[in-house]
Amino acid sequence: RKEVEQDPGPFNVPEGATVAFNCTYSNSASQSFFWYRQDCRKEPKLLMSVYSSGNEDGRFTAQLNRASQYISLLIRDSKLSDSATYLCVVAREDNFNKFYFGSGTKLNVKP
Amino acid sequence: EPEVTQTPSHQVTQMGQEVILRCVPISNHLYFYWYRQILGQKVEFLVSFYNNEISEKSEIFDDQFSVERPDGSNFTLKIRSTKLEDSAMYFCASSVGRGARPEAFFGQGTRLTVV
Repeated sequence: RKEVEQDPGPFNVPEGATVAFNCTYSNSASQSFFWYRQDCRKEPKLLMSVYSSGNEDGRFTAQLNRASQYISLLIRDSKLSDSATYLCVVAREDNFNKFYFGSGTKLNVKP
Repeated sequence: EPEVTQTPSHQVTQMGQEVILRCVPISNHLYFYWYRQILGQKVEFLVSFYNNEISEKSEIFDDQFSVERPDGSNFTLKIRSTKLEDSAMYFCASSVGRGARPEAFFGQGTRLTVV
C-alpha cells in the first residue's frame, strides 16, 4: 500500500468554484502533514502545514482526521492562478529523514 | 526569506558521463534531501543527509549516486556514468527537522538531460 494516496484528478472547475482534495496516509506514526503546490516544471512550494485542529489561510482550509488517517484541502472562490498540482506530503513522528509525497492532484481552473 | 538554491538550472550530459548537481541549503537547517521527478511522474525520494552522513536512502539511490557536504554550506549530488533514464528534474530540499516549522523547502531544481 502506498504511504500517501491522493485523488487522481484532474479537477476541472470554473472560476469562483469551491473544490476539495483528499489525501489518505497509511502509517499511523505519521505526525506532520503538509500541502504543497507545484506548477508545471517548477519546484514544490509549501502551501500550508496541516495542524490537528484544522487551519485556514485565506481561501484555503486544511483539515486533519487522525482516526481515519485522512487530510483534506478546501479551496474557496477558485482563481485562474490556483491552477496547479497539489501535493499531499507527510513526515513520520520523530523522523525527518524522509518526506512522503502523494502523486498529486491536478487542478485546472477555467474562466 | 531564505531559500534553497541549486546550480545549474539545466544540465545536458552525454550518457556515461558524470555530473555533479549543487545545492546550498538554508543556513540553519539540519536535514538535507535530494528528490527527483521524471517528467509527468511523481516526486521521488532519493536520499537524506543529517549530521554529516546519509540518514536514509531509497532503492533508487544505488552505487551510481553519492552525496557530499564538502564545506559546510554546499550539498552535492554526484551521478556517475549517467544513463538515459536518469533524465529528470532533481530537487534539493532542506528542513530544520523537529520544531515549529518542520516542513521541507525546495530549491528550484536542476533539469538533467542525458543524451
